[in-house]
Amino acid sequence: AQSVAQPEDQVNVAEGNPLTVKCTYSVSGNPYLFWYVQYPNRGLQFLLKYITGDNLVKGSYGFEAEFNKSQTSFHLKKPSALVSDSALYFCAVRDYTGTASKLTFGTGTRLQVTL
Amino acid sequence: GAVVSQHPSWVICKSGTSVKIECRSLDFQATTMFWYRQFPKQSLMLMATSNEGSKATYEQGVEKDKFLINHASLTLSTLTVTSAHPEDSSFYICSARDGGRSIRDTEAFFGQGTRLTVV
Repeated sequence: AQSVAQPEDQVNVAEGNPLTVKCTYSVSGNPYLFWYVQYPNRGLQFLLKYITGDNLVKGSYGFEAEFNKSQTSFHLKKPSALVSDSALYFCAVRDYTGTASKLTFGTGTRLQVTL
Repeated sequence: GAVVSQHPSWVICKSGTSVKIECRSLDFQATTMFWYRQFPKQSLMLMATSNEGSKATYEQGVEKDKFLINHASLTLSTLTVTSAHPEDSSFYICSARDGGRSIRDTEAFFGQGTRLTVV
């Protein structure tokens, strides 16, 4: 079975500073990894994904994530945080079995960006 | 990205009544849709996988007679919470995957979520 760990419940960063939201994964086969963002009382918005290829993946709103196979990590990063980035971030891994594929989510990390 | 519309965005119902939540893929055909439940300050819990034209697959511990799922077309799946009770109050989110694209490469698109409150 696959799993995802987000070790930080909350990350605080000042606007303009770089941010990192951590994610580690466990999967038996090839990992298909995703980051989503959730604003209050809303569904999840897709940010980026890693399927194969370059370890550095660029996504929406200036976010990027670095896939590190040896450390089984897929940390989300942004060079310069904005107050509007404050939200709940979920890392997810896909288990492809049979004809359906399920996403397993981490527990989420709340990002708080302050002026 | 593709658009998934979920309706209603919030609903309040009396205990013992049933509530239907709709999930529509607006610009793609979704052969598979997923229903999640999210408790406050917690992650998403997959409830069931809905496949067009066939019975839904429920996760362990989810009562299929209580949470009825229908996926009658390639663009619509519904979740009906039957005989709702206050403990069913939660945030329900659907997601869908574009059936015309590779399963491996395709991210899931999520609806806006439905806040259900049972009083």
